[in-house]
Amino acid sequence: DTGVSQDPRHKITKRGQNVTFRCDPISEHNRLYWYRQTLGQGPEFLTYFQNEAQLEKSRLLSDRFSAERPKGSFSTLEIQRTEQGDSAMYLCASTPLRAFFGQGTRLTVV
Amino acid sequence: GENVEQHPSTLSVQEGDSAVIKCTYSDSASNYFPWYKQELGKRPQLIIDIRSNVGEKKDQRIAVTLNKTAKHFSLHITETQPEDSAVYFCAASNENDMRFGAGTRLTVKP
Repeated sequence: DTGVSQDPRHKITKRGQNVTFRCDPISEHNRLYWYRQTLGQGPEFLTYFQNEAQLEKSRLLSDRFSAERPKGSFSTLEIQRTEQGDSAMYLCASTPLRAFFGQGTRLTVV
Repeated sequence: GENVEQHPSTLSVQEGDSAVIKCTYSDSASNYFPWYKQELGKRPQLIIDIRSNVGEKKDQRIAVTLNKTAKHFSLHITETQPEDSAVYFCAASNENDMRFGAGTRLTVKP
């Protein structure tokens, strides 16, 4: 176990609903990344936090997506008005340099 | 932002042969290059990494080389075994983010 945990592991939601995922990084890691991975593809960068500051956000991240890391510890990723194209594995990684991934949250939008 | 290209997308080798996966990156500020192995249904696992002040690093059957001038780096697996079969991802990181290649599906035939 790398120490990065994500919750939930699986989420099935109806199109149009909002969903929120949580990531608990390794406690001393100040950097936290969110990635999206679809079958057969590499992780796509979504956003990055240094402590509580969101320093970069991918153009892939539409305004339906928002991420927070309020106290510089855990982070949440919210998707509003989900669409079928949002179905993917959402991975969180934390690092001071070497990134360790959580197990991911598999989102299925039906 | 950083752009990472990875080749080949699939690679099939006979057990005992070597496998080489190549990546190129675009951002000269990138200074850290990890490689991840992902088995089906599991999270990416870090297998080896290299920093920009080093040209080569080896860990048992796995080695990574880096050519900063040409902006490319490679993963070499020698004496491949069936359990090496997985998808391998390269990544390039600067101070702000980490971007991944699209992955190489390696199959080692017994």
